[in-house]
Amino acid sequence: GDSVTQMEGPVTLSEEAFLTINCTYTATGYPSLFWYVQYPGEGLQLLLKATKADDKGSNKGFEATYRKETTSFHLEKGSVQVSDSAVYFCALWRNTGNQFYFGTGTSLTVIP
Amino acid sequence: GAGVSQSPSNKVTEKGKDVELRCDPISGHTALYWYRQSLGQGLEFLIYFQGNSAPDKSGLPSDRFSAERTGGSVSTLTIQRTQQEDSAVYLCASSLEVGPWPQHFGDGTRLSIL
Repeated sequence: GDSVTQMEGPVTLSEEAFLTINCTYTATGYPSLFWYVQYPGEGLQLLLKATKADDKGSNKGFEATYRKETTSFHLEKGSVQVSDSAVYFCALWRNTGNQFYFGTGTSLTVIP
Repeated sequence: GAGVSQSPSNKVTEKGKDVELRCDPISGHTALYWYRQSLGQGLEFLIYFQGNSAPDKSGLPSDRFSAERTGGSVSTLTIQRTQQEDSAVYLCASSLEVGPWPQHFGDGTRLSIL
């Protein structure tokens, strides 16, 4: 069945370091891909999305490119800040069945 | 309302009791989703509503779980004869329509079964 696999955390980085959180997926057809973020004490919110192959989603300095050939949607940021500390979830939506599939989440802590 | 509202925020109950969880979506959002997040697990999709209709109930973990939505707005998730493995955070989300639209999540209901 469809699924999302993301790198396990927790991830700890120093401020201004480069961030990559890996996400790969298994799906039939052409799913849409998302990254959601949950800041401490807040609810999940959409960070970025891409709806077709080779699309790049971007927001708040984060980027992810929909790679169909490698079935990946890795999240990257060139220079993380303390305020980026949160849990990041990769997600997939497929139009058959109208279901969302979420990964297990990756906790990121950025230290000054 | 301004966002998705869930109640109660916390619920502690004894095994075997029934519980009802409520979700009030953003006004005008026709799609509503329920998820379960267990400790160390990702979000497990349970059910979605398009308007008042839930076309696919296969994601519900057992026949003890049921959900309904009335008036295209408020939804309730009911768990009958609760078991300890039902302990989790239950999240509700809504979006403009069913599909790859941004989902707006509530803060969840933390359910603990003693």
